[in-house]
Amino acid sequence: DAGITQSPRHKVTETGTPVTLRCHQTENHRYMYWYRQDPGHGLRLIHYSYGVKDTDKGEVSDGYSVSRSKTEDFLLTLESATSSQTSVYFCAITSGGGSSYNEQFFGPGTRLTVL
Amino acid sequence: RKEVEQDPGPFNVPEGATVAFNCTYSNSASQSFFWYRQDCRKEPKLLMSVYSSGNEDGRFTAQLNRASQYISLLIRDSKLSDSATYLCVVNIQGAQKLVFGQGTRLTINP
Repeated sequence: DAGITQSPRHKVTETGTPVTLRCHQTENHRYMYWYRQDPGHGLRLIHYSYGVKDTDKGEVSDGYSVSRSKTEDFLLTLESATSSQTSVYFCAITSGGGSSYNEQFFGPGTRLTVL
Repeated sequence: RKEVEQDPGPFNVPEGATVAFNCTYSNSASQSFFWYRQDCRKEPKLLMSVYSSGNEDGRFTAQLNRASQYISLLIRDSKLSDSATYLCVVNIQGAQKLVFGQGTRLTINP
């Protein structure tokens, strides 16, 4: 158990509404990640963070923003949700750094449906 | 060309059989390699890291061929509980990010 929780676990919303997903970790890991998973595409990186207030874009960042004001929380915001953002969202952490890369551990996921 | 490619399957094999998956990666600067397992409607979980010399964990054996840029996973004496999607994962040197293959779906039949 990597001590990662996500909230909400399920959400249904309407097009055009803002949505914020929360990832919370209890083990003071430096790196946190947001992915989306869709059939035919696998897991794709949206944004990641390498420290408090330090974030960077992934391959599918358009339409998403993130914030990390505390080590333990990484928030993903859809400013104006669209149907194309219907997906399963996973948060992940790693304690990686330095010359070697450590594996990632995932939260349980959030199923988001945008109508 | 995708950075990490896997045969999506599905693979349907009888219980007790040996099954092998391959995965190819395109970036020769890839440094770390992993196999993850994902059950239906669950999060991916690390199955094993893949080392240059190859490594084994019980019924699971992982191999890395850097020259040909592929990774393999062998499952011996397959169990019903091995039914899942297996994800090939690669890290690029210097990048604190992972690249995931689409996954190979495996079903073990009684």
